[in-house]
Amino acid sequence: GAVVSQHPSWVICKSGTSVKIECRSLDFQATTMFWYRQFPKQSLMLMATSNEGSKATYEQGVEKDKFLINHASLTLSTLTVTSAHPEDSSFYICSAHGSGGLSDTQYFGPGTRLTVL
Amino acid sequence: AQKVTQAQTEISVVEKEDVTLDCVYETRDTTYYLFWYKQPPSGELVFLIRRNSFDEQNEISGRYSWNFQKSTSSFNFTITASQVVDSAVYFCALSERESTGNQFYFGTGTSLTVIP
Repeated sequence: GAVVSQHPSWVICKSGTSVKIECRSLDFQATTMFWYRQFPKQSLMLMATSNEGSKATYEQGVEKDKFLINHASLTLSTLTVTSAHPEDSSFYICSAHGSGGLSDTQYFGPGTRLTVL
Repeated sequence: AQKVTQAQTEISVVEKEDVTLDCVYETRDTTYYLFWYKQPPSGELVFLIRRNSFDEQNEISGRYSWNFQKSTSSFNFTITASQVVDSAVYFCALSERESTGNQFYFGTGTSLTVIP
């Protein structure tokens, strides 16, 4: 089946630093990728939709200057949390929307747990 | 408005009991997909099932079964003879066709605890 990876799986950083999270579709091309965040004991909340070669579309309330998304290729999207603060600590999950025969669903990565000290 | 409602926040059952997790959805699309995911403490979402809006057949997979009823906009999930390993948070999700890709709407999740 289709596989999506995320790197790193967890990261701890100091307040004020930037953290980059990678999302890769390993065996298929993903024209669209989605970024979610999940706070403890809460549901997944969509942050942004990322289309290859164009600017990401952010959900209301998500600061695009803080959460930089780059979808440079059909297999890679990155989320950079700039000037991270403790309130940015969360579980970040990406998903990739397949094309062709995989176009009917999204495939989720294993998530990245970010802790900002 | 919430597109996917999981009214049960937490459920506890004793091992070997059956348990049903409720999911009610809202959409105006005629073509849509419904999903159930399991999220164990590790955090990774485990895909359980996908059902498209044109297929109302109930499905059984081992101890898992799903009841899709368009008339009530429900897609309930039953675990038969529950086991401790079933303890997790379960999310129901709706996918509508969007021009930029299928956007997912997740319910708030039901935390299931199976007591040995």
